[in-house]
Amino acid sequence: DTEVTQTPKHLVMGMTNKKSLKCEQHMGHRAMYWYKQKAKKPPELMFVYSYEKLSINESVPSRFSPECPNSSLLNLHLHALQPEDSALYLCASSQQEIANYGYTFGSGTRLTVV
Amino acid sequence: GESVGLHLPTLSVQEGDNSIINCAYSNSASDYFIWYKQESGKGPQFIIDIRSNMDKRQGQRVTVLLNKTVKHLSLQIAATQPGDSAVYFCAETGTSYGKLTFGQGTILTVHP
Repeated sequence: DTEVTQTPKHLVMGMTNKKSLKCEQHMGHRAMYWYKQKAKKPPELMFVYSYEKLSINESVPSRFSPECPNSSLLNLHLHALQPEDSALYLCASSQQEIANYGYTFGSGTRLTVV
Repeated sequence: GESVGLHLPTLSVQEGDNSIINCAYSNSASDYFIWYKQESGKGPQFIIDIRSNMDKRQGQRVTVLLNKTVKHLSLQIAATQPGDSAVYFCAETGTSYGKLTFGQGTILTVHP
């Protein structure tokens, strides 16, 4: 298995809703990442998990809450989002946090906040 | 809503032509570089990578060139095909930190 699987593929949520994005990989990678991508812009790093511990938080608002239950799973819990949070949320993984290894991306969750 | 007003560089070529996509990076500490292809509605797809101890690397129909002196990276696609149409991003990271940073991207359009 050489894929990163993200669910759901599409999500529409209201500003008062609570939802979660899920990411799964079975490549034995020990680093996992959340990126946010707005239209016509490059992906921007949100969080890095290394060996199931939060390693980097790129000053992301607390309405986004990451969780890494085990080495294969990464969640992003969403609460009280704003319409400007609408974007493509990408999960990625790599063998290790420190570079020199390829990063594998999932297909993303297209999030719309109404 | 979605942001507007940012125009990505575009490259338009005919099928069969060779394409060259350029990227400037800013971090002198970066020593690992990756080119990604992103099609509409999909995540970035790995194309080729290169480490800073190399200045050229070749794959199938693709070549990456690295010029560390001027912090410039390029992706050459030989015999470009309509299926190559996508947005291409360069990305950089370093062995001293675990953060992959993307360049602004280039839209490649291949006309049959």
